[in-house]
Amino acid sequence: EAQVTQNPRYLITVTGKKLTVTCSQNMNHEYMSWYRQDPGLGLRQIYYSMNVEVTDKGDVPEGYKVSRKEKRNFPLILESPSPNQTSLYFCASSFAMISPLHFGNGTRLTVT
Amino acid sequence: AQTVTQSQPEMSVQEAETVTLSCTYDTSESDYYLFWYKQPPSRQMILVIRQEAYKQQNATENRFSVNFQKAAKSFSLKISDSQLGDAAMYFCAYRSGGANSKLTFGKGITLSVRP
Repeated sequence: EAQVTQNPRYLITVTGKKLTVTCSQNMNHEYMSWYRQDPGLGLRQIYYSMNVEVTDKGDVPEGYKVSRKEKRNFPLILESPSPNQTSLYFCASSFAMISPLHFGNGTRLTVT
Repeated sequence: AQTVTQSQPEMSVQEAETVTLSCTYDTSESDYYLFWYKQPPSRQMILVIRQEAYKQQNATENRFSVNFQKAAKSFSLKISDSQLGDAAMYFCAYRSGGANSKLTFGKGITLSVRP
C-alpha cells in the first residue's frame, strides 16, 4: 500500500532533550516536506527536500533540522526542543512539486 | 509572497443540504495549482479536489465541486448532499507552478454537519 509513515504518533518530552521524528514513503517520491499545524494558523512548512541531499528551508525552520540521505526517508530533528515547538507535525511527499501531496498521519508533540 | 485566506473559521450545514466554503488567494503568477484538503477528527490530511489555474473548467469529484474565479482569485468548495462524514476541518491550499514552489495553506475552516 502506498503510504507515508510517520513515527511516533504521540511524543511527550522535556525542554532540551533531542528528538527525531521519522518519516518514510514507499512511493519513490522525489519531493518531501515537513509541516507543523497550530490552531488558527493552518499548516506551515518547516523544511522541504526536492531529492536526496537537497533540502531547503520553509517558512518556519528555526529550531529544526532535516536530512535526506535516502530517497524514502526524511527525518525531522529537534536538537533542543522548546515549549513553543509543541504542535502537530506532518510529513508529506509527492512525485513532483506540482503534484498533490500525500500526508503521513501526523505526530502530536508536546514539549514541557 | 502568496497568501491564502479562509475568512470563515466555522460553518454548519444540515445533512443532505449544500454548503460552500470560501477561499481567496493572492498571487501575481499565472501558472499555479489550487487544492482543498479535508482533515477529519482522525487528523489525517486527505486531498479532496485539485484545480489547475490554466483550466477554465471547474474541477468536480463526486459531491465536491469548486467555483474557480481566476480574475477574482477565488476558489470556493461546494459540498452537495452533505453527509455526516463530511464533518471535518477543510484547508484551501495554493502552489505555484515554479520549480521551487511550496504549498501554502489557509488557516482552515471547521465544518459541522447537523443530522
